[in-house]
Amino acid sequence: EVQLVESGGGLVQPGGSLRLSCAASGFTFSNYCMSWVRQAPGKGLEWVAYIKQDGNEKFHVDSVKGRFTISRDNAKNSLYLQMNSLRAEDTAVYYCARRFIVAYHYYYYMDVWGKGTTVTVSS
Amino acid sequence: DIQMTQSPSSVSASVGDRVTITCRASQGISRWLAWYQQKPGKAPKFLIYSASSLQSGVPSRFSGSGSGTDFTLTISSLQPEDFATYYCQQANSFPLTFGGGTKVEIK
Repeated sequence: EVQLVESGGGLVQPGGSLRLSCAASGFTFSNYCMSWVRQAPGKGLEWVAYIKQDGNEKFHVDSVKGRFTISRDNAKNSLYLQMNSLRAEDTAVYYCARRFIVAYHYYYYMDVWGKGTTVTVSS
Repeated sequence: DIQMTQSPSSVSASVGDRVTITCRASQGISRWLAWYQQKPGKAPKFLIYSASSLQSGVPSRFSGSGSGTDFTLTISSLQPEDFATYYCQQANSFPLTFGGGTKVEIK
């Protein structure tokens, strides 16, 4: 079964740090680009970061640039999000999601999502 | 950045109704658009890609259309399991952006 399982969320004070992890199984992780998407309480979806299969190309949304870093370890089938200088507005459920591939065509859609991990930034 | 605007923000409908949701991009995105369904407390589910292609396993009562800046998601006959929030997402360029969501509620 194709599966993504996030972990690492929790309560952190403003200015603090957290590292989120996403464990992939049921597919060849190294063949897929991956993203992090977040959802603040009662709000819509916001794409946060993207990483290519080999980790050599990364994009981050402007609101997290310089604070968050996406990375991956293909040997461990794992995706990460290092979050520093956290702010109250970073409070959200964080999802990892897989880039969609069909018939050898790559698209910037996300076809498989984890259940999410909750990050709360509060004093 | 490309802004995605959905309308309406919520719609009340009955089982069996036809429901149409609109998504507008702030600039042309060709057909690089996806639709997702999200139920409370759950992850989004991938429904439609490239504006009109149905993802495997998605019921045929769901359909999508449009190109350029204007897109629609149609549910031809609403079923009880379809009550959820729906999001569009542009895949034309980074940053990837989502619409604000449309909540489909029971009338």
